[in-house]
Amino acid sequence: KAGVTQTPRYLIKTRGQQVTLSCSPISGHRSVSWYQQTPGQGLQFLFEYFSETQRNKGNFPGRFSGRQFSNSRSEMNVSTLELGDSALYLCASSLGAGASGYGYTFGSGTRLTVV
Amino acid sequence: DQQVKQNSPSLSVQEGRISILNCDYTNSMFDYFLWYKKYPAEGPTFLISISSIKDKNEDGRFTVFLNKSAKHLSLHIVPSQPGDSAVYFCAASGMGGATNKLIFGTGTLLAVQP
Repeated sequence: KAGVTQTPRYLIKTRGQQVTLSCSPISGHRSVSWYQQTPGQGLQFLFEYFSETQRNKGNFPGRFSGRQFSNSRSEMNVSTLELGDSALYLCASSLGAGASGYGYTFGSGTRLTVV
Repeated sequence: DQQVKQNSPSLSVQEGRISILNCDYTNSMFDYFLWYKKYPAEGPTFLISISSIKDKNEDGRFTVFLNKSAKHLSLHIVPSQPGDSAVYFCAASGMGGATNKLIFGTGTLLAVQP
């Protein structure tokens, strides 16, 4: 079966711009979570969605937002980009909610560079 | 506040020897611990996990040990192979409520020398 698809794979944006990243989960998976990976910080939790509802949110400023559609696809948006937003953004899908991360399948990520 | 810590950013081991990767945590509410492996340009892949009610879980060459009193877990890889060279992330979950949220450590880069 197809894995988790994240688009685009690479992106270069200028400070102050906004960006939208997309994640298509594994077919049948209804939960999508987003993480930011930066050197020295590991993976930081951004949001978690299940059945179009945000169930959990990490400690990020309001410039970071997301949503999930009825087909379980998810998008995250970052407005007013800052240099520090340069990172690998990873999406993970799982079958249901409350699985404590079991059954997570990660996508390959979107590498965002802000210049 | 880093609730899950991997204090060794890197580790180098000879092929065939044991690799031991360590992880410490501060929140006693965690009830599942997981290890992920990540190659460059790929997403992390699940390796092995352990419930907080156990102290050991084994899967082939990989064994995870949990010491709840010390809030410490370790991943043992025996024997180590060059293909094991990757970044290993420790993660914790189960902080209450229905959630898939994981708290990750900062990762340890393992290099297995042939």
